[in-house]
Amino acid sequence: KQEVTQIPAALSVPEGENLVLNCSFTDSAIYNLQWFRQDPGKGLTSLLLIQSSQREQTSGRLNASLDKSSGRSTLYIAASQPGDSATYLCAVRAGGTSYGKLTFGQGTILTVHP
Amino acid sequence: EAGVAQSPRYKIIEKRQSVAFWCNPISGHATLYWYQQILGQGPKLLIQFQNNGVVDDSQLPKDRFSAERLKGVDSTLKIQPAKLEDSAVYLCASSLMGPHTDTQYFGPGTRLTVL
Repeated sequence: KQEVTQIPAALSVPEGENLVLNCSFTDSAIYNLQWFRQDPGKGLTSLLLIQSSQREQTSGRLNASLDKSSGRSTLYIAASQPGDSATYLCAVRAGGTSYGKLTFGQGTILTVHP
Repeated sequence: EAGVAQSPRYKIIEKRQSVAFWCNPISGHATLYWYQQILGQGPKLLIQFQNNGVVDDSQLPKDRFSAERLKGVDSTLKIQPAKLEDSAVYLCASSLMGPHTDTQYFGPGTRLTVL
């Protein structure tokens, strides 16, 4: 059974700081990995998707890496802003015959203060 | 393009009552998902539809939860009877094709409180 763990559970940083969120998973037989953002009272928004054959993806100030063999992914946020405050979730999509079920971590609550 | 719509946004019921949630996916999206998100946890997949067929319902408590997707478009999720531990946000998501290739788009969720 796939288990996804995110560290830290919460993070508070001053504006402008670069930061790293961590995600680990127990079963390396994944199809892809996604990072989502969730704002209070709202649904999830997909930020980055990394296929299992890829090592990283970049979008603006966000960079996500994937090391499938070690079961780890990181989300790097450069020059953080107060608008980045949200819960960040990583999710792995199963490969093989499981038809792609997403398994989520519990999330990292990020607060960026001015 | 309109996003995934869900209603109601909030629902408060007493235990042993029944409740239903509605989801309208993005037009043309064949795959629809229902997730349960308990406070402080990540979403957990309850059921996944491909058109109007069930692909995965392995984590759906079938003694009290049921879901249907009529005509491969809208979907309803029902809980009968509700328990205290069903208090959670119920998220609906949809994707264009098969789940291996596409990003899921999430609705705002329905927050259920069971007293």
